[in-house]
Amino acid sequence: DTEVTQTPKHLVMGMTNKKSLKCEQHMGHRAMYWYKQKAKKPPELMFVYSYEKLSINESVPSRFSPECPNSSLLNLHLHALQPEDSALYLCASSHVGNTEAFFGQGTRLTVV
Amino acid sequence: AQSVTQPDIHITVSEGASLELRCNYSYGATPYLFWYVQSPGQGLQLLLKYFSGDTLVQGIKGFEAEFKRSQSSFNLRKPSVHWSDAAEYFCAVGISGTYKYIFGTGTRLKVLA
Repeated sequence: DTEVTQTPKHLVMGMTNKKSLKCEQHMGHRAMYWYKQKAKKPPELMFVYSYEKLSINESVPSRFSPECPNSSLLNLHLHALQPEDSALYLCASSHVGNTEAFFGQGTRLTVV
Repeated sequence: AQSVTQPDIHITVSEGASLELRCNYSYGATPYLFWYVQSPGQGLQLLLKYFSGDTLVQGIKGFEAEFKRSQSSFNLRKPSVHWSDAAEYFCAVGISGTYKYIFGTGTRLKVLA
């Protein structure tokens, strides 16, 4: 199983809403990532968890709040987002040590 | 500074023709190199990777890539392109010990029937 599963696939939310994106993998990977991708651009790293601890926060605004409940799950909690936060949000996982990262299919987020 | 350059923003080829997508990197040590493919609205799928050893690596879907240290390049090739190969292709470098991957800006491949 080389799958990273993300839910939901699509999400429309208002600027006052609170929502969560979910990500799951069963490959035994101990590094998990959130990326943001705007149209026609490469993915931009947001957060990295290693062994369920936050290792990297790329100066992401606090309206994005990550959580890693266990080694298989990764969440991204969203609150008071802005329209410019509309993007494809990608989850990825890898073994520790910059081996290849496996990506989920993404959540297409639209903030209205 | 570490960087990845994909000089071609768009490439158009006819179905059945050969393909080469260029990737140049700037990195002080031996890099971990990757090629990913992304169809519209989808996630990134790993095509192939290079860590060490044989400089010609085989990947999925009939793709291969060659690591050339002297040219700091990791070009992706396919001998005969299929219409389903139309997608965005990203070259990436893994920065050892950091969990960070530097992505190129991508090359959009269009395949003509």
